[in-house]
Amino acid sequence: ILNVEQSPQSLHVQEGDSTNFTCSFPSSNFYALHWYRWETAKSPEALFVMTLNGDEKKKGRISATLNTKEGYSYLYIKGSQPEDSATYLCASLRYGGSQGNLIFGKGTKLSVKP
Amino acid sequence: DTAVSQTPKYLVTQMGNDKSIKCEQNLGHDTMYWYKQDSKKFLKIMFSYNNKELIINETVPNRFSPKSPDKAHLNLHINSLELGDSAVYFCASSRLSGANVLTFGAGSRLTVL
Repeated sequence: ILNVEQSPQSLHVQEGDSTNFTCSFPSSNFYALHWYRWETAKSPEALFVMTLNGDEKKKGRISATLNTKEGYSYLYIKGSQPEDSATYLCASLRYGGSQGNLIFGKGTKLSVKP
Repeated sequence: DTAVSQTPKYLVTQMGNDKSIKCEQNLGHDTMYWYKQDSKKFLKIMFSYNNKELIINETVPNRFSPKSPDKAHLNLHINSLELGDSAVYFCASSRLSGANVLTFGAGSRLTVL
């Protein structure tokens, strides 16, 4: 694949549920994979940047894994809270590209009901 | 202290006008960007710029031009505005390496009537 694809497009969960979603990206010439959290009416905020195959990063209840050989990354949220409601974007950068070549997916919109 | 600030936040203007959106970052980053959030909510790169290189997305009409008076500023000028230019425009900055995250501004919503 040449595009960055995220699934599902949207997700509705109850408070306390754990959830995960997927980012698929081109595996050839992989350089870096970014995850951003984007709340409505705000600007995207960085969560993680991952570069190494098998990398796993964690920030509080949110964690992410990376498989560069098959071209996917998972984002996990443990014990979702209403404040986790946001769109989660991933972006892929291929080798030889500058930061301007970051390709964003459409995002997964997460809604957490109290 | 706002790290990446854009002005104005909202801009409503008539077709055919020329307008600018300003962006400033106080993070000491060496690369700045303009993104457009299209009608399908995709973030698409328009320009990236550091003091050595301007990279232009070839799909961006030449009515759009970036102007960088110094490392901390990257303004977006748009000539002869069209209805289809209505969108939210995001400025961002980062250190040069691809392993560094982008810091985004709050966005500027442009409405062309």
